[in-house]
Formats: sequence, structure tokens, C-alpha cells
Amino acid sequence: EVQLVESGGGLVKPGGSLRLSCATSGFTFSTYTLNWVRQAPGKGLEWVSSISSSGTYMSYAESLKDRFTISRDSAKNSLYLQMNSLRAEDTAVYYCARDRFGDYAFENWGQGTLVTVSS
Amino acid sequence: QSALTQPASVSGSPGQSITISCTVTSSDVGDFKFVSWYQQHPGKAPKLLIFDVNNRPSGVSDRFSASKSGSTASLTISGLQADDEADYYCCSYTGRTTRVFGGGTKLTVL
Repeated sequence: EVQLVESGGGLVKPGGSLRLSCATSGFTFSTYTLNWVRQAPGKGLEWVSSISSSGTYMSYAESLKDRFTISRDSAKNSLYLQMNSLRAEDTAVYYCARDRFGDYAFENWGQGTLVTVSS
Repeated sequence: QSALTQPASVSGSPGQSITISCTVTSSDVGDFKFVSWYQQHPGKAPKLLIFDVNNRPSGVSDRFSASKSGSTASLTISGLQADDEADYYCCSYTGRTTRVFGGGTKLTVL
């Protein structure tokens, strides 16, 4: 069974940093593109970032790419999101999601981790 | 303002069919080939319903179907059930390694 478990969320002050983790299991980690998707309270889904199966290629939502960095560790079967210079508008539930093999659909999702940016 | 526009809400009675549209409003979306649809119940993670415009993953009910015509993709739910009440999102790969979601549609089952 494919499992994605996010962690690392919490309360952080504006301007602060946070690193989210997503522990995965149940599939061959190095075969799939992984993603972060967020959802602000009461709002819709927003794609944040993707990283290729090899970790070679990363892409970001235009408004975030200077502050967020996606990475993956095949030894730990884990995905990460380093978030810097956090703003109130970054407050959201952050989901880790795995693509369908060779496709561009988010096939499996974690339960999400809440990030709150507030003083 | 998302590059994909969905109606904010739709409603239908049990047993009826409804259709949710997803229209490209920006050239940033590219050729709109890789469209997917998601269902999200309150407080839950989204669930993939449709990939590649009109394909259902195994385990998704055949009451969910989808299509695309030009710059508009559509999700149809037939035989509405109470449990279909949820938020629905379309999403597209833009062709430049990025993805974009529609603003979401709240489905109310009357």
C-alpha cells in the first residue's frame, strides 16, 4: 500500500523558515515524480513544486521559487520542502503527492501538515 | 485568478447528473492535454478521479466521467449520491513542467 506521511508543520513567525518532510513507503521511490500541493484555510488547492524521479529536475510555482526548495533523499525514501522567508499568506495545509507513473496526475496524497505563519 | 476557471458551485438532487466545467483562461496552460480531476471532502486529502482528460483510476466509480472540447474540460457525475457532496478541482500540466489547479467547485446534493 502506498503511504505518504507529512511532518514538520507548525507555527512560525513571519520571516522564519520551516522544513517539511514526507516519508513514503509502498512503492519504488526512485521511479516517481513527487510534488507538494498546498491549501490555505477555506481556499482551493495550489500546486507548489515538483521534483523528478531522479531528483534532477525541479519546478516551482512562479511566486514561490525564490523562497522554497524541493528535494528528495532516496536513501530515506523521503521528500522535503525547505521554506524560507515565510509570509502570512503561506499559511496552509501542505500535502505531499505522488504522480501516476509517467503521467501528470496526483495519484496518491498524504494527509497534510499545517503550517501557520503568524506573529 | 486561476488560469483554469470553474463554477464556484453546482447542485443537484439524488439520482440526477451534474456537469462541472473547467475552462482555460490563460495561454500559460499550454495545450491542455493532461487534465485531471480531484474530489475533496471537508478535512480530507484530495482523491484522484480522472487522469489524462477522461481516464478513471481503478476503484473510481463509473458514475464519474469526463471529456474535453477545445479549451473546456468537463466532469460529469451521474446518479448523484449524498456522498458526492464535496469540492471538485480540475488540474492541468502546463507543458513547462508546472501544474495549475482550477479554483474548485462546491457540489451540493439537495
